[in-house]
Amino acid sequence: GNSVTQMEGPVTLSEEAFLTINCTYTATGYPSLFWYVQYPGEGLQLLLKATKADDKGSNKGFEATYRKETTSFHLEKGSVQVSDSAVYFCALRGFGNEKLTFGTGTRLTIIP
Amino acid sequence: NAGVTQTPKFQVLKTGQSMTLQCAQDMNHEYMSWYRQDPGMGLRLIHYSVGAGITDQGEVPNGYNVSRSTTEDFPLRLLSAAPSQTSVYFCASSPRGKDYGYTFGSGTRLTVV
Repeated sequence: GNSVTQMEGPVTLSEEAFLTINCTYTATGYPSLFWYVQYPGEGLQLLLKATKADDKGSNKGFEATYRKETTSFHLEKGSVQVSDSAVYFCALRGFGNEKLTFGTGTRLTIIP
Repeated sequence: NAGVTQTPKFQVLKTGQSMTLQCAQDMNHEYMSWYRQDPGMGLRLIHYSVGAGITDQGEVPNGYNVSRSTTEDFPLRLLSAAPSQTSVYFCASSPRGKDYGYTFGSGTRLTVV
């Protein structure tokens, strides 16, 4: 079956630091890959996505590239802000099995 | 557009009580799902639906029922609440097709005492 393995948290960084949150997946075929963000007390919001190999998703300064050869979709941001503090979830959605499969989430805290 | 609307936002139940969590979407999405979120466990799929009249079980269906009589609505019923069902519940919807992301509601925080 499909599965997503996500970097364990929590992660604490200083403002303006470089961020990487690792995500790898197992799936048959060519799934679509997603990053969701959850701010405190809120639901999940779609941050970015990539639907085929070598696609790069980007939004709000975050980027992730769909790497089929390493089955990875790592989330990066060059300079984080306090407002980026949230929980980040990596997820995949496969063809013919269109449930969304989530990683366990990574809590990110940015300190000023 | 309202998106995905969940009610209530908060609920306290006594063990053994039953209740229905409501979910409605106004985007004409075919797919709808219910998840529960527990500390340190991410999101787990309870039930999902690929269209009106069609539902199926997810990872943790025991103790919950669903029905989908219309495209818009997907209520989740707790049959006899247990403390283990204390959680935050999220409803989500999506168009058909793997390239689409799901849109999530703001959640229902349920406490069973």
